[in-house]
Amino acid sequence: QKEVEQNSGPLSVPEGAIASLNCTYSDRGSQSFFWYRQYSGKSPELIMSIYSNGDKEDGRFTAQLNKASQYVSLLIRDSQPSDSATYLCALPYSGTYKYIFGTGTRLKVLA
Amino acid sequence: ETGVTQTPRHLVMGMTNKKSLKCEQHLGHNAMYWYKQSAKKPLELMFVYSLEERVENNSVPSRFSPECPNSSHLFLHLHTLQPEDSALYLCASSQEETGKETQYFGPGTRLLVL
Repeated sequence: QKEVEQNSGPLSVPEGAIASLNCTYSDRGSQSFFWYRQYSGKSPELIMSIYSNGDKEDGRFTAQLNKASQYVSLLIRDSQPSDSATYLCALPYSGTYKYIFGTGTRLKVLA
Repeated sequence: ETGVTQTPRHLVMGMTNKKSLKCEQHLGHNAMYWYKQSAKKPLELMFVYSLEERVENNSVPSRFSPECPNSSHLFLHLHTLQPEDSALYLCASSQEETGKETQYFGPGTRLLVL
């Protein structure tokens, strides 16, 4: 099993819709989870971090964590064309400095 | 300068050249990282330095040689690279102490090996 799995997409949603991005992971000891956004040709930038089960909201973004099921998701409400990018899920392996990134999900928001 | 900076932003080199990538972080962090990002592959962790000591070397070929002279600077020395080493090389930094560390990335160096 891959350590961090994401659907590569592309995920296409119309402008104004909710985009739902999912990530599953294999390390049950993971405590911290991060969502990064990466525009084409640019470096990743942090969108959200989440450490506890449940939802965490920040503006149009909501991160959801379910440690029992080993998945973390990112919801983007009122999607805008400027949200079109690749979204990377990342987590540090417990007790190490090793950060594992998923391959990313490419999101396309259609105007 | 703020955040994490990298130079050069673009680099073209032949297989016999020697070059170095430079990274500098202005965030007061104590850990720095090199990643490689190739097309359609996940970010690959190459090296980790914590408090200027290398704590991770992810089976990287010896043609890549890191150097961390202090907590703010990180170098990646390149020699006799192969065309498959062409990729985006990203530097990142974080403050390792709470277990909830966020990594901040530099803009990357786009490397092309001919």
